[in-house]
Amino acid sequence: KQEVTQIPAALSVPEGENLVLNCSFTDSAIYNLQWFRQDPGKGLTSLLLIQSSQREQTSGRLNASLDKSSGRSTLYIAASQPGDSATYLCAVGISNDYKLSFGAGTTVTVRA
Amino acid sequence: GEEVAQTPKHLVRGEGQKAKLYCAPIKGHSYVFWYQQVLKNEFKFLISFQNENVFDETGMPKERFSAKCLPNSPCSLEIQATKLEDSAVYFCASSQSSALYGYTFGSGTRLTVV
Repeated sequence: KQEVTQIPAALSVPEGENLVLNCSFTDSAIYNLQWFRQDPGKGLTSLLLIQSSQREQTSGRLNASLDKSSGRSTLYIAASQPGDSATYLCAVGISNDYKLSFGAGTTVTVRA
Repeated sequence: GEEVAQTPKHLVRGEGQKAKLYCAPIKGHSYVFWYQQVLKNEFKFLISFQNENVFDETGMPKERFSAKCLPNSPCSLEIQATKLEDSAVYFCASSQSSALYGYTFGSGTRLTVV
C-alpha cells in the first residue's frame, strides 16, 4: 500500500521568503505525482503534474522536483506572497491503478 | 466546460435520510473519480468510472453507497440511510483518456448528517 508523507505539517514564513515543501512516498512504482493547493472550504487546484519519467516541472514561481528512486518530491515556491497561504497536497498516482494516494498536506501561512 | 461541476455545494441530511450528490466531468474526459475528505486532509478513494462503466469500486462501502455515470447525464453518488460518520466533503475528479494528463477536481459537496 502506498504511503505518502508530507513534512512539515505546517509552515509560517514572512513574505518574500522561499518555501520548500516535502513529499515522500513508499512505493517508487508511481505513474505520476501531482501537487494541489486547497484553500479553506474550497476544492483542489492543480499546481503541477510530474510524470514518472520526468524530474521536474516549473510554472511561474513554482518548481516541483521528483526523485523516484528515493521516493521524494519537493515543491519550491519562490518569493512567497500572502496569497500563497493555503494547504498544499501531494498526490501520487500508482502505476496501472488510476487512484491517487494523498499526503496529509502542509498548511502554509505567509505573513505580510 | 473546462471545470468539473459538483452540485449541490452543501447538503444537510438527518440521520437515516438519503443523500444524492452530482458531478458533471469535463467534456471529453473518460475517467471519473469520487473521493471522500473526512478529516482535515484525509482523502479516501471511493470509486472510479471509465465512461459509464465502473473501473474500480474497492473503496465503496457497498451496503449504503452507490454510484452511476450514465451517458448524457451527470454522474451521481448516492448514500442510502446516512450515518453521522458520512459527514464529509465529497470530491469528484475527472481525467482524460489516461492518468497521464492528471486529474481535475471539482469544488466538492459538503455533506452534513445531523
